[in-house]
Amino acid sequence: SAVISQKPSRDICQRGTSLTIQCQVDSQVTMMFWYRQQPGQSLTLIATANQGSEATYESGFVIDKFPISRPNLTFSTLTVSNMSPEDSSIYLCSVLPLGAGELFFGEGSRLTVL
Amino acid sequence: GENVEQHPSTLSVQEGDSAVIKCTYSDSASNYFPWYKQELGKRPQLIIDIRSNVGEKKDQRIAVTLNKTAKHFSLHITETQPEDSAVYFCAAQMGFQKLVFGTGTRLLVSP
Repeated sequence: SAVISQKPSRDICQRGTSLTIQCQVDSQVTMMFWYRQQPGQSLTLIATANQGSEATYESGFVIDKFPISRPNLTFSTLTVSNMSPEDSSIYLCSVLPLGAGELFFGEGSRLTVL
Repeated sequence: GENVEQHPSTLSVQEGDSAVIKCTYSDSASNYFPWYKQELGKRPQLIIDIRSNVGEKKDQRIAVTLNKTAKHFSLHITETQPEDSAVYFCAAQMGFQKLVFGTGTRLLVSP
């Protein structure tokens, strides 16, 4: 298993600002992903965070809007840039631990953009 | 494209009844199919998963079946209890270990 610490757990932000979400895992993991869950909706993959290189973004998501870092095997950040009310959502970090087949989720960061 | 369809979107049952949720996926190369339960305000939690080398897997009151030919898999919950009430998501592994999720099923079990 993996223990995932995600910060902040929630925040209220002003339009046009940026916020960085941190994801720290207690053990080395092979894969780290960032998902978005809009109110009442399913989970949509934003990108795969690659260690030491640029993230791999899914269709509809771009680096300028959602820059991602992964400097090592246990830590990643997601920035939501130039926020608008449409960015109000829960952002979830998820990880695939070494030797495990199961994807684990952090508790999520609930962003409200005014 | 990569997508997973899930039905029904809502399901109401009486305590003790069975519940069935169905999903279909698009990528014939997918070989891993987990099911997640998400309670209100909580993170998704894995409840059962199945790999493409088996057709069925059971864990107490929960079972999952897979039909690779039809690209379809289902979750079966027997003897439902009020604490089973939650949103359930199916998913299929596509590409390099990423999961694509279905649209979710809100299950309500009435006492």
